[in-house]
Amino acid sequence: NAGVTQTPKFQVLKTGQSMTLQCAQDMNHEYMSWYRQDPGMGLRLIHYSVGAGITDQGEVPNGYNVSRSTTEDFPLRLLSAAPSQTSVYFCASSYSGTGTTEAFFGQGTRLTVV
Amino acid sequence: KQEVTQIPAALSVPEGENLVLNCSFTDSAIYNLQWFRQDPGKGLTSLLLIQSSQREQTSGRLNASLDKSSGRSTLYIAASQPGDSATYLCAVSPYYGNNRLAFGKGNQVVVIP
Repeated sequence: NAGVTQTPKFQVLKTGQSMTLQCAQDMNHEYMSWYRQDPGMGLRLIHYSVGAGITDQGEVPNGYNVSRSTTEDFPLRLLSAAPSQTSVYFCASSYSGTGTTEAFFGQGTRLTVV
Repeated sequence: KQEVTQIPAALSVPEGENLVLNCSFTDSAIYNLQWFRQDPGKGLTSLLLIQSSQREQTSGRLNASLDKSSGRSTLYIAASQPGDSATYLCAVSPYYGNNRLAFGKGNQVVVIP
């Protein structure tokens, strides 16, 4: 059971470059989210989705775009990378029906922008 | 805005001692609270989830309590082992679905053999 899979695990970008962080889950979860983790800041919510075609902004959305065309996938796009976006990015999913709603996290993507 | 605080930020305990980790939150209007474990360079692993209507949850050596009205949760780890060394994160969800979590900065734990 793969759970939440993030690719790539590591990435180095130059300032101004664009890239997409991939996130896929195989648990048929409607809810998915993206967080960034920075030293001394904890995890902060970037964007989230409650189902295919529905996304919304979290606490720190600037510089990031998302879309949700399928239940399984929730990619995060950096349009023009900046050094301030150097961080570890985590994707999470959770169940929307009755029963447990614990969040499951991927292993993270460590991004460095130079 | 929900603020989540975890105290202490870091602690070391000898093997066999019980661990007590504290989490406080400013807005008591939460749907649930979840404790995670994070090992260096790894993702987050869910340990326990407490619904707002519950007072505690238990799993093996782990017990988490929730006092929603006072905005506090405590994670107890009995008879600590070196393998318990990790960072423990507390997160609260204001809504059903657990997809908009507010996190504390974590308790970094070292269990000394």
